[in-house]
Amino acid sequence: AQRVTQPEKLLSVFKGAPVELKCNYSYSGSPELFWYVQYSRQRLQLLLRHISRESIKGFTADLNKGETSFHLKKPFAQEEDSAMYYCALFATNKLIFGTGTLLAVQP
Amino acid sequence: NAGVTQTPKFRILKIGQSMTLQCAQDMNHNYMYWYRQDPGMGLKLIYYSVGAGITDKGEVPNGYNVSRSTTEDFPLRLELAAPSQTSVYFCASSYAGPNSPLHFGNGTRLTVT
Repeated sequence: AQRVTQPEKLLSVFKGAPVELKCNYSYSGSPELFWYVQYSRQRLQLLLRHISRESIKGFTADLNKGETSFHLKKPFAQEEDSAMYYCALFATNKLIFGTGTLLAVQP
Repeated sequence: NAGVTQTPKFRILKIGQSMTLQCAQDMNHNYMYWYRQDPGMGLKLIYYSVGAGITDKGEVPNGYNVSRSTTEDFPLRLELAAPSQTSVYFCASSYAGPNSPLHFGNGTRLTVT
C-alpha cells in the first residue's frame, strides 16, 4: 500500500539548533516526493520537491531509496520556520499526504 | 490574482442538511482537487478534475458530489450531511498533474451536528 509516515506530531527546537523532520514512505514504484508547509494564517504551499534538488529557505531534503525516507533538514532553525510541515508522495496519479509535523522554534 | 478562493470559511450544518462548498481559481489551471483534513490526520483526496467536464473519485468520495462546468469553478456538494463529514475542506489547483505544485485555498471548516 502507498503510505507516507511522519512519526512526530510535534518537534520543538531552539533557535539556531539543527532541524530534521522525518518522513518515510511506502511505494513499490519510483517515488516523487514533496514537502508542503503551512505557516500560521497562511495557505498550504509547496516548499520543495526532490526532483529539483534545491534548497528553499535553507531547507534541503534527500531521497534515500534504501531507507525509503525523505527527511527535511535545516542546519540552523529560525523562529520564522515555525509551521506545519507535510510530506507528500506522488503515486498512481495522486498526491498522498502524511499527517504532518508541527515545528515550533523557541527563541 | 486571487489564486484559489474558497467560500464559505466556516459553516455549521444540521444532520441531513445539504450545502455546496465553492471553489474558484483564476490561474487557468486544468487540474483541481478537493481534500478533507480530519484532526490529526493527513489530507485525504475526495474528488479531482483534470479539466472542464471531467471529474473522478479520490480516496474518500462517499457522501460528496462534484461538477466542473468551467475551468475556473469546482464546487463540492454535500447532499445529506453526517457528523462524519465534520472536517476542514481544502480546494487546490495545479497547472499539470498532482506532481506539479498545488495551489491551495484557505480552507472551509465544516461542523455537522
